Amino acid sequence: EADIYQTPRYLVIGTGKKITLECSQTMGHDKMYWYQQDPGMELHLIHYSYGVNSTEKGDLSSESTVSRIRTEHFPLTLESARPSHTSQYLCASSETQTRTSGNTIYFGEGSWLTVV
Amino acid sequence: KNQVEQSPQSLIILEGKNCTLQCNYTVSPFSNLRWYKQDTGRGPVSLTIMTFSENTKSNGRYTATLDADTKQSSLHITASQLSDSASYICVVSDRGSTLGRLYFGRGTQLTVWP
Repeated sequence: EADIYQTPRYLVIGTGKKITLECSQTMGHDKMYWYQQDPGMELHLIHYSYGVNSTEKGDLSSESTVSRIRTEHFPLTLESARPSHTSQYLCASSETQTRTSGNTIYFGEGSWLTVV
Repeated sequence: KNQVEQSPQSLIILEGKNCTLQCNYTVSPFSNLRWYKQDTGRGPVSLTIMTFSENTKSNGRYTATLDADTKQSSLHITASQLSDSASYICVVSDRGSTLGRLYFGRGTQLTVWP
């Protein structure tokens, strides 16, 4: 079982509100990721981190921001939510991958965000 | 363009039957290929991961194959159970960057009927 946790699991908020999605892992992984997934569609990387104080934007443009102050914690923040932000957000973590082998990426259960 | 295509998009089978899901990719340079199972409303769970030199890998009733020459993979499920109903996602990683960028397929939605 993966030791990666996301809160809240489900959230409905009004337009313009600020929201932070929490993600924590207890596996000591250096790499952490945030993905966005709409129903029936593929996952899109929106943010990732190699370690503490390291954050990068992913492939999909996102108005969200992230921080990595501690290894185990990788929160995602939307300063002003809009209906277009309605989606499922998945947090993941992994160990550092070697060039010739893969490693397992562990996903959290996801946070379903609805902006009304 | 690096892409991952899965087929069929959806599949319905009867409990106890076998099925095979397909994944074709154009990701290059190739690093590894993973199959994930995602239950509705949950996060994906890893089933298998295969590198370039591996042709087949099993995890219980799940057997994945990889043909790196034709850039094809399959996931075979034996003696299906109701709990196998889920989306099965093929994920291919490149080795062109430190991150090992992941390319996700849209998944095959499998429904197992009693």
